[in-house]
Amino acid sequence: DTAVSQTPKYLVTQMGNDKSIKCEQNLGHDTMYWYKQDSKKFLKIMFSYNNKELIINETVPNRFSPKSPDKAHLNLHINSLELGDSAVYFCASSPLGWEKLFFGSGTQLSVL
Amino acid sequence: DAKTTQPPSMDCAEGRAANLPCNHSTISGNEYVYWYRQIHSQGPQYIIHGLKNNETNEMASLIITEDRKSSTLILPHATLRDTAVYYCIVMVNQGGKLIFGQGTELSVKP
Repeated sequence: DTAVSQTPKYLVTQMGNDKSIKCEQNLGHDTMYWYKQDSKKFLKIMFSYNNKELIINETVPNRFSPKSPDKAHLNLHINSLELGDSAVYFCASSPLGWEKLFFGSGTQLSVL
Repeated sequence: DAKTTQPPSMDCAEGRAANLPCNHSTISGNEYVYWYRQIHSQGPQYIIHGLKNNETNEMASLIITEDRKSSTLILPHATLRDTAVYYCIVMVNQGGKLIFGQGTELSVKP
């Protein structure tokens, strides 16, 4: 029973394409996140949602659009993919106001 | 924007205690100290956190100095599976915005 699951694990695509990464958590948490880990291994928050409402939106290009159909799911859509989008994307969840985040295993995105 | 300083790497013998230091000299009164780790090719994993007092759980112990300017994460009996990058994060509770620094790459050796 994976607590935070994201699909796909690997995503290889061409520049200019549009792709989505799905995330689901079965922990009953109120808050979900997307983090990005670049090639230098720096982890940085992109978005957070609380009960389907956007809470944190860091300076991320508007080609990235998170969508939360319900509080157990937070998907990440990326339009017009660029080479610099290549990274590992992690989904996470936590109870509201609590910094103990549970992370998924990551999606390695490679843009060619 | 990380407010912490950690050694980039450390080695530890299997079965021995691993003591990972973190300097956070500019910590303010309402900031917590969190520790996460990232095992290769996995997502970060919460380990422990504290405000003033020392804390212990099933994974580790956290020792915070009285002036709160530094802390040490202790893995009492390190195993090969503890090989990972360990991140010390200082922050107020603000909605999950963890700011990861470079962390300490711990290698546990047989």
